[in-house]
Amino acid sequence: GAGVSQSPSNKVTEKGKDVELRCDPISGHTALYWYRQSLGQGLEFLIYFQGNSAPDKSGLPSDRFSAERTGGSVSTLTIQRTQQEDSAVYLCASSLVGQGASGNTIYFGEGSWLTVV
Amino acid sequence: TQLLEQSPQFLSIQEGENLTVYCNSSSVFSSLQWYRQEPGEGPVLLVTVVTGGEVKKLKRLTFQFGDARKDSSLHITAAQTGDTGLYLCAGAGANNLFFGTGTRLTVIP
Repeated sequence: GAGVSQSPSNKVTEKGKDVELRCDPISGHTALYWYRQSLGQGLEFLIYFQGNSAPDKSGLPSDRFSAERTGGSVSTLTIQRTQQEDSAVYLCASSLVGQGASGNTIYFGEGSWLTVV
Repeated sequence: TQLLEQSPQFLSIQEGENLTVYCNSSSVFSSLQWYRQEPGEGPVLLVTVVTGGEVKKLKRLTFQFGDARKDSSLHITAAQTGDTGLYLCAGAGANNLFFGTGTRLTVIP
């Protein structure tokens, strides 16, 4: 596809279950980002992948959250033992080059809506 | 954590009116971006400002970056219903963007 693709678009899960959210970035984009957005709020940075460099995990809220990016393309965000406060929209984004580059444009997917009941 | 405060949080105006929303921080950013987000979609980039004091215009939208590169404003002239959405500012960090709290704009026909 032409844009950032995320799946599932909606996920309802029971408290304590694990969930996996998938992101397919735009082809050729070296940088990939995960953000979390609670209802009506701004975006909270979670993790950043750039090429083959070690990811910046500084935004992950707890050790229940992890993410990987295989082959420099698809990324999976995993939340273990989900809690109700994990309910949010999880947005993935990608860019051609890293964030520090001048004029870099970040493209967002439509997000995965997670509801923990 | 680099915080960006946006004001107002909510704004409801009549079609044809002008409005300004603000983005303020105590931190200096190398660049600042403005995004608009519609329900069920991801944010879409509107503009990037880089130089202190810079002013950019996109049709009815005027963006300004403060001289000290800590704050920014977005002015919309003659608002239209299509301008309705969540407006987010974001300051560039080393590895990510720090997003503001957002301004939810509703333009009433």
